[in-house]
Amino acid sequence: GDSVTQMEGPVTLSEEAFLTINCTYTATGYPSLFWYVQYPGEGLQLLLKATKADDKGSNKGFEATYRKETTSFHLEKGSVQVSDSAVYFCALLSNAGKSTFGDGTTLTVKP
Amino acid sequence: GAGVSQTPSNKVTEKGKYVELRCDPISGHTALYWYRQSLGQGPEFLIYFQGTGAADDSGLPNDRFFAVRPEGSVSTLKIQRTERGDSAVYLCASRPGGASTDTQYFGPGTRLTVL
Repeated sequence: GDSVTQMEGPVTLSEEAFLTINCTYTATGYPSLFWYVQYPGEGLQLLLKATKADDKGSNKGFEATYRKETTSFHLEKGSVQVSDSAVYFCALLSNAGKSTFGDGTTLTVKP
Repeated sequence: GAGVSQTPSNKVTEKGKYVELRCDPISGHTALYWYRQSLGQGPEFLIYFQGTGAADDSGLPNDRFFAVRPEGSVSTLKIQRTERGDSAVYLCASRPGGASTDTQYFGPGTRLTVL
């Protein structure tokens, strides 16, 4: 079946550091790929998405590129802020509509 | 507009009891999902509705779990003979339609505690 594997956390960075959170997936067909974020005390919300190979999703300075050849969708940000501290989830949505999430990566950004 | 709502926000029950969890999706969204999230883990897929029918219920862990969506809007997740291992946050999400590119919109969840 489909699966998503995320880089294990927690990740602790200083403000303005570069962020990468790795995500790889296994799926049949051509899924859509997503990054969701959960801020402390809040619900899951979409951060960015990409729906086909080589698409780049971007939002709030975060980017991720759908790499079919490496089955990856790594999340990056050039300069993190304290307000980016949250749990980040990589997810896929199959052509049949079934959704699979990774286990999440906790990011803490220190001033 | 209104987002996805879930009631109750918290539910404490005793082992062996029956519980119902409710999800009100965004109006007009035809796809609805139920997930279970345990501490430190990602949402675990349970069931997906397209309209009134369950398009995929492969994530339901056993026959104690059942979900309905009789009119293609509100959905209820039903758990019979609850066990301590059922304790988790149950999340509901909806998305507009059949396209697999649609974003899911999540509710705040129901925290279920089985004593």
